[in-house]
Amino acid sequence: QVQVVESGGGVVQPGTSLKLSCEASGFTLNSYVMHWVRQAPGKGLEWVSLMSHDGSNKHYAESVKGRFTISRDDFKNTLYLQMDSLRTEDAAMYYCAVENHSSGRCATFDYRGQGTLVTVSS
Amino acid sequence: DIQMTQSPSTLSASVGDRVTITCRASQSISHWLAWYRQKPGKAPKLLIYEASTLESGVPSRFSGTGSGTEFTLTVSSLQPDDFATYYCQQYDVYSPTFGGGTKVEVK
Repeated sequence: QVQVVESGGGVVQPGTSLKLSCEASGFTLNSYVMHWVRQAPGKGLEWVSLMSHDGSNKHYAESVKGRFTISRDDFKNTLYLQMDSLRTEDAAMYYCAVENHSSGRCATFDYRGQGTLVTVSS
Repeated sequence: DIQMTQSPSTLSASVGDRVTITCRASQSISHWLAWYRQKPGKAPKLLIYEASTLESGVPSRFSGTGSGTEFTLTVSSLQPDDFATYYCQQYDVYSPTFGGGTKVEVK
């Protein structure tokens, strides 16, 4: 079955760090461009970061640039999002998503998991 | 970033109704527009891409039209499974951006 399991979310204080994981099964992560997309409680969707299939390209939303780092472990078939200097506005459900239909510059997303919830509160 | 504006934000309807949701882009995005449905507590599910192409496995009651800056999603006959929130997304340029969502609720 093609799916991902996101984990690593929790309740943290502002200024601290958290590392999210996205373990894939039924497919190989390094064959796809992978993304993190987040959704604040009761709010809309916000793209966060992407990693190209070969790992050579990484991009971030302006809101997280310099604080978040995307990475991947091919042996574990797992995608990560290291989140440092967390802010209250980073509180959200975080989804990892597979890029599916591309315009050549950007793409749509196939969400294969249920997300992991990050709460940032003092 | 390209701003995506959806309307209405909430829509009340009954099973069997025809419903239409509009999405406007702050600049032309050609036909690089996708629609998702999100049920409570679940991840979004892709319904339509390239403004009007139905994703594999998606029921034919869903359809999309538009190009440039104005797009619509139509559900021809609303089913119980369709009471959810719908989002549009542009994928013409980075960063990909989403509309604010349209919640379809039971009348």
